[in-house]
Amino acid sequence: GAVVSQHPSRVICKSGTSVKIECRSLDFQATTMFWYRQFPKQSLMLMATSNEGSKATYEQGVEKDKFLINHASLTLSTLTVTSAHPEDSSFYICSAADPSSSYEQYFGPGTRLTVT
Amino acid sequence: KNEVEQSPQNLTAQEGEFITINCSYSVGISALHWLQQHPGGGIVSLFMLSSGKKKHGRLIATINIQEKHSSLHITASHPRDSAVYICAVLGGVQKLVFGQGTRLTINP
Repeated sequence: GAVVSQHPSRVICKSGTSVKIECRSLDFQATTMFWYRQFPKQSLMLMATSNEGSKATYEQGVEKDKFLINHASLTLSTLTVTSAHPEDSSFYICSAADPSSSYEQYFGPGTRLTVT
Repeated sequence: KNEVEQSPQNLTAQEGEFITINCSYSVGISALHWLQQHPGGGIVSLFMLSSGKKKHGRLIATINIQEKHSSLHITASHPRDSAVYICAVLGGVQKLVFGQGTRLTINP
């Protein structure tokens, strides 16, 4: 199947700093990517839909000024957690929809963020 | 009531057993995904299906659109199949709605 990468896989940062997470589709072009957050033993929660060349669509309750999303190319979307706080510590996962396979979503390996 | 319900929530079996995980949904969908998440966290898409049945190795997924129900079967289960299996349905605007997951443990 198609491959989606995320970088970094794990990051620890201090409160108040910003962290950028990259999501890349390696062998297909994705006009749409998705960012999810997952708390321990819970299911994935959609944060936002990232559209190439336009503004991201955020889910209710997700602060767009805190979670900045940029989808600058057909293979790259970034999520920046600004002014991170310990409650932002979580597992962040992206997915990319492949238009050549009926928009099947392929998931990245995830990024574990710990804010100290 | 959740839009996507999975059963069982937890399943422990012995190596070699036939495994069935069920997923029922209450919304209209264009497709259904079965996903696998290992303890490390990464998610693998096992199947996307909108009708009938798909098979990949020891895994089989079926869907009944009229009954709004899907099943994931694992034949000749193995300890490496131990993971969380997630059913997710694709509604409008490409958004996935996730079930709560089924934690499968296969003992040697």
